[in-house]
Amino acid sequence: EAQVTQNPRYLITVTGKKLTVTCSQNMNHEYMSWYRQDPGLGLRQIYYSMNVEVTDKGDVPEGYKVSRKEKRNFPLILESPSPNQTSLYFCASSLSGVGGSTYEQYFGPGTRLTVT
Amino acid sequence: TQLLEQSPQFLSIQEGENLTVYCNSSSVFSSLQWYRQEPGEGPVLLVTVVTGGEVKKLKRLTFQFGDARKDSSLHITAAQPGDTGLYLCAGGLGNKLVFGAGTILRVKS
Repeated sequence: EAQVTQNPRYLITVTGKKLTVTCSQNMNHEYMSWYRQDPGLGLRQIYYSMNVEVTDKGDVPEGYKVSRKEKRNFPLILESPSPNQTSLYFCASSLSGVGGSTYEQYFGPGTRLTVT
Repeated sequence: TQLLEQSPQFLSIQEGENLTVYCNSSSVFSSLQWYRQEPGEGPVLLVTVVTGGEVKKLKRLTFQFGDARKDSSLHITAAQPGDTGLYLCAGGLGNKLVFGAGTILRVKS
């Protein structure tokens, strides 16, 4: 089954404790992306990757890191989480990101993160 | 300030009514996508429109892309409780997809 998986689905942590949210897709997609979703603000892009070893900042990259060492995996790293990073996070992948993202984005089920 | 303004933010209607959701921007987009999201799940693509003035129909849903490719609308005819959810528009800008804040639709039976 074609899918994007994220782990964990729920995470409660404390300020400053480094964490990683994993994302994996099995569709051989080139483009992967991380979004955060907050009430009234919709989905905001954190980072995206056009292909292996190619990553770029989205609209809200501060406080986050990513890496793309393999095509299927795109982990999101919070080196020192803060309460303002409490949010619902989605990983997504698509065939390509070139050309204004006309390709369908496939989203994972989301990770609800709470930083106290 | 959102690059893509969606309206209304909330909509609560009776089964059988019609409704329209709007997505507006001052930017020109290469494409416009509409997604639907249910609680506890990620958004799922409904449609992509690419050409200015394009109209696409998906059963009781009609999507339109503005002539100038700056705005879009989603019209639902005879809404049903199964249409309840969060509707998101997203515009293609360079190598990124920019999302609106969403419209929460509730259809009461």
